[in-house]
Formats: sequence, structure tokens, C-alpha cells
Amino acid sequence: DAGVIQSPRHEVTEMGQEVTLRCKPISGHDYLFWYRQTMMRGLELLIYFNNNVPIDDSGMPEDRFSAKMPNASFSTLKIQPSEPRDSAVYFCASSLRGLVQETQYFGPGTRLLVL
Amino acid sequence: GNSVTQMEGPVTLSEEAFLTINCTYTATGYPSLFWYVQYPGEGLQLLLKATKADDKGSNKGFEATYRKETTSFHLEKGSVQVSDSAVYFCAHQAGGTSYGKLTFGQGTILTVHP
Repeated sequence: DAGVIQSPRHEVTEMGQEVTLRCKPISGHDYLFWYRQTMMRGLELLIYFNNNVPIDDSGMPEDRFSAKMPNASFSTLKIQPSEPRDSAVYFCASSLRGLVQETQYFGPGTRLLVL
Repeated sequence: GNSVTQMEGPVTLSEEAFLTINCTYTATGYPSLFWYVQYPGEGLQLLLKATKADDKGSNKGFEATYRKETTSFHLEKGSVQVSDSAVYFCAHQAGGTSYGKLTFGQGTILTVHP
């Protein structure tokens, strides 16, 4: 299995621009998670989906952030407009089911720098 | 609320030294506990887990025991290697729900010197 795939791996953009991060979960996994990692705040769960439906978006920082999952094999996290404080590593993860003992499998992350 | 607290790093050891990284948690119900490891430039990967009290998770020489009475899940390894240099995250998934929402500790950077 190819694992969780994320693109791009690195993104440098200017403040005010739209940024779209992409994720392909492991085939057959029902749950997809988006995390953000920064030095100041560590790892934060932004939003997660079950069977393509958003379940909990309480971690999304503000209206500039949006996430979609149009089908079982693709999800996007969009930031519009981007700001320097959005600079972070964004991880996508998936799990087979959402049970409490379930392992989440992480992608390699997208390193975002907003100038 | 739910939280995970890890010992602050960074931790620097010589090869073959003994490693302990402390982790305590607060949670409602009966969470599952995890250690994830992040190697430089990579995403997190599961190192080991335990799903109920007194369970011991183990992998690659690392061990951690789920201690409900002390709400702890300390990571140990008897003899570290240079290749163990990474960031280690303790995490839990709150029990009593049908989904697994991971709560992570702040991470501990481990550097092992030859």
C-alpha cells in the first residue's frame, strides 16, 4: 500500500494568496483527519471526516480555513486568504475505523510557509 | 478536559544508554494510549499502543505500560541507538465514543550520540 499521500510536500506563498493542500487516504479507510503542527502549539486536530462527511471541525482556526472530501479517496484543506501565522506543517491521517483503539496512519505532511 | 503531558526535552543520550520519556494523561472514560514517533522530515508513525489498564505495548525494543492508577504511559528502552533519534509523541484517544480523536502531548526530541 502506498500509504497516505499528501501534496505538495512544500509550499511557499505570499500573504493573501489562496493555498490548497491535498490528501489521498489509504484505500478502504473510513476516517480522514487533518492536523497542524507548529512549534508553539504542537499537533492540533483541525477537522476529521467519516465516510466523506465532516464530523468535527471545532479545531479549524477560523473562516479562512475550509476542508472538503468530495469522495473516499481525496480531501482538500484550503486557506483563503493565507497569513504568515498559518505557516506550519499540515498532516493528513486516515484510519480504517474511528474506534478508540484504532491506529491512525499519517502522511508525510505539507510544509507551508506564508511570507 | 482531556490532555497529555510529556516530559520536556530535548533529551540527549549516548548510544546504549537507558531511555525513559514520561507521559501522563487526563481523560474521561477509558482511553487507549499511544506512542508515535516522527523521524526528521517525515510524518508520524505508530510506535506502540495499549488499549486497557495494565497492558504493555512494545515494538523495536521500546516498551510502555498503561498505568491507570497513576494515569501514566511512560516510554522506555533499555539500550538506545543513533537511529532512535527522533521526536516522540504520547497520545490518547478518549474512550466511550465511536470515533478516535487523538490528543497529543507536546513531543519530546531525542538525540542519541555515537
